[in-house]
Amino acid sequence: DGGITQSPKYLFRKEGQNVTLSCEQNLNHDAMYWYRQDPGQGLRLIYYSQIVNDFQKGDIAEGYSVSREKKESFPLTVTSAQKNPTAFYLCASSPGTSEGNIQYFGAGTRLSVL
Amino acid sequence: GDSVTQMEGPVTLSEEAFLTINCTYTATGYPSLFWYVQYPGEGLQLLLKATKADDKGSNKGFEATYRKETTSFHLEKGSVQVSDSAVYFCALTLYFGNEKLTFGTGTRLTIIP
Repeated sequence: DGGITQSPKYLFRKEGQNVTLSCEQNLNHDAMYWYRQDPGQGLRLIYYSQIVNDFQKGDIAEGYSVSREKKESFPLTVTSAQKNPTAFYLCASSPGTSEGNIQYFGAGTRLSVL
Repeated sequence: GDSVTQMEGPVTLSEEAFLTINCTYTATGYPSLFWYVQYPGEGLQLLLKATKADDKGSNKGFEATYRKETTSFHLEKGSVQVSDSAVYFCALTLYFGNEKLTFGTGTRLTIIP
């Protein structure tokens, strides 16, 4: 089955620790995205990548880092510089304008601070 | 900048009631418009979309019409079911932009049997 796989489903971070959230897609999509969702708020864009080895900051990139070494993978690292990391993180991918810019989402990772 | 404004929730309706969730947008270009749905503990799923003015998107009994004159994309369903309980997000992307989605804050819908 084609789709987007995020892991782990739940993640706990200790003070001063970096953690990495995994996002893998087998849809052959060029573009990938990371969003943060807080209770009662919409999704906010953290980083996005439109092609391998290239990525851009979104609206709330501070305290986060990404890499895009393979088309299928777009991991997100939440660094110790992110002082309020507790949130639901969603990864998405898109085939681009050929399908009207539709984005397909993974099931999400819920990150909490210990 | 581009923005999406959604009707504030939560919205609670009885089964078989008529549903409207309002959505208006501000955009500098020619946006595509979307409704996404999020069931508890899950990611977002595309519900419907419209890519140009006067297009009507429809899926699973839900409909929304792209109204350029009122910059709106209201979601409607004639008869809701308990299984429609979820959070609904309106979103836009610029067709010739960098494909970023701009989301509204979401509307939580609860359907009572």
